[in-house]
Amino acid sequence: ETGVTQTPRHLVMGMTNKKSLKCEQHLGHNAMYWYKQSAKKPLELMFVYNFKEQTENNSVPSRFSPECPNSSHLFLHLHTLQPEDSALYLCASSKEGQGASNLYGYTFGSGTRLTVV
Amino acid sequence: GENVEQHPSTLSVQEGDSAVIKCTYSDSASNYFPWYKQELGKGPQLIIDIRSNVGEKKDQRIAVTLNKTAKHFSLHITETQPEDSAVYFCAASQNNNNDMRFGAGTRLTVKP
Repeated sequence: ETGVTQTPRHLVMGMTNKKSLKCEQHLGHNAMYWYKQSAKKPLELMFVYNFKEQTENNSVPSRFSPECPNSSHLFLHLHTLQPEDSALYLCASSKEGQGASNLYGYTFGSGTRLTVV
Repeated sequence: GENVEQHPSTLSVQEGDSAVIKCTYSDSASNYFPWYKQELGKGPQLIIDIRSNVGEKKDQRIAVTLNKTAKHFSLHITETQPEDSAVYFCAASQNNNNDMRFGAGTRLTVKP
């Protein structure tokens, strides 16, 4: 366990379903992220939250809706997805800081493998 | 924005040999360069990082080098073992974590 827990590990949903992905960390980190990992593509940043405030929305379609109720929990709400949205969705957390000396790497969860049918 | 390119996409070595993975970045303002290892069924795990005020960093069998002038950095794994088999990602960032950009990954296979 890395300290970042994602549930569920696997999810199959129809295009008309509504589901949510959950991420939880108790590392004392103040930044949380959603990434999409597709085969043979670089990791795609979707959303960034710093101290519970969304600071980045990387042109993500509105069928993906993030929620960060506190600095330890992050959700990704899914609605009317498309088959091309099938991927591994990774949550990560980090300490947020300014300047190179305050930058830290991410701690990733194991991901949710999403299949849209 | 930052663009990170990583080579090779796949790498196969014999156990005990060395492995080298290279990355280039486009934004000269990038100053933090982490490397991640992703094993099957798991998320990426940070294995080593380097900051722009350092040219080389070592941690046991792994080392990272940074050439700021050429805007490239490399991961070196010596005395490879089968458990080193995984996908490795490089990344680059400037002054905050909002702009971390990842390479496409290198699938390393270490043959026993």
